[in-house]
Amino acid sequence: DTGVSQDPRHKITKRGQNVTFRCDPISEHNRLYWYRQTLGQGPEFLTYFQNEAQLEKSRLLSDRFSAERPKGSFSTLEIQRTEQGDSAMYLCASSLGRNEKLFFGSGTQLSVL
Amino acid sequence: DQQVKQNSPSLSVQEGRISILNCDYTNSMFDYFLWYKKYPAEGPTFLISISSIKDKNEDGRFTVFLNKSAKHLSLHIVPSQPGDSAVYFCAASGGQAGTALIFGKGTTLSVSS
Repeated sequence: DTGVSQDPRHKITKRGQNVTFRCDPISEHNRLYWYRQTLGQGPEFLTYFQNEAQLEKSRLLSDRFSAERPKGSFSTLEIQRTEQGDSAMYLCASSLGRNEKLFFGSGTQLSVL
Repeated sequence: DQQVKQNSPSLSVQEGRISILNCDYTNSMFDYFLWYKKYPAEGPTFLISISSIKDKNEDGRFTVFLNKSAKHLSLHIVPSQPGDSAVYFCAASGGQAGTALIFGKGTTLSVSS
């Protein structure tokens, strides 16, 4: 088993470049979440999928961010034209359903130079 | 506007004593509350949860108390162990927050031997 898996663990990029992160949830979980965490803050909700449908988006998710979950399995989070303010830990989580605990991956640490 | 507040950034406790971590929330529609623990460079790990229909939930050394009228919850760890040293996040969901968990900023617990 397999918990939630995220790839890569670390990403360093130059400002203006595009980056893509991948998340593989626990296989029987139909809900998948993306969060962002910066130093001294708790995880901030970005978006959520139930199966392949993206059901909620935070206002933090600017138009440079896009997330997909084709076929309701793995998910990708893409950031276009990265800015230094995008530097953060990007966390993926999955759950069985509403009011079920979220299982988090180890995160992708993004540094934008 | 922070809907989930952890007003103590840090707490130091001696091994064997009780650790009490506090959390306040503002959204009366929240109906599910959780505590997560996080070590550096790892994703948050679920500890314990409580539904709004209860006022206490216990799991081994961990007990969560919910006071709905005060919009306050607390996590008690008894006895505290050095391995409990980590950042603890309070989270809540429900109401307009929908299915997304809203996290506090965290409290860093240090347990000394």
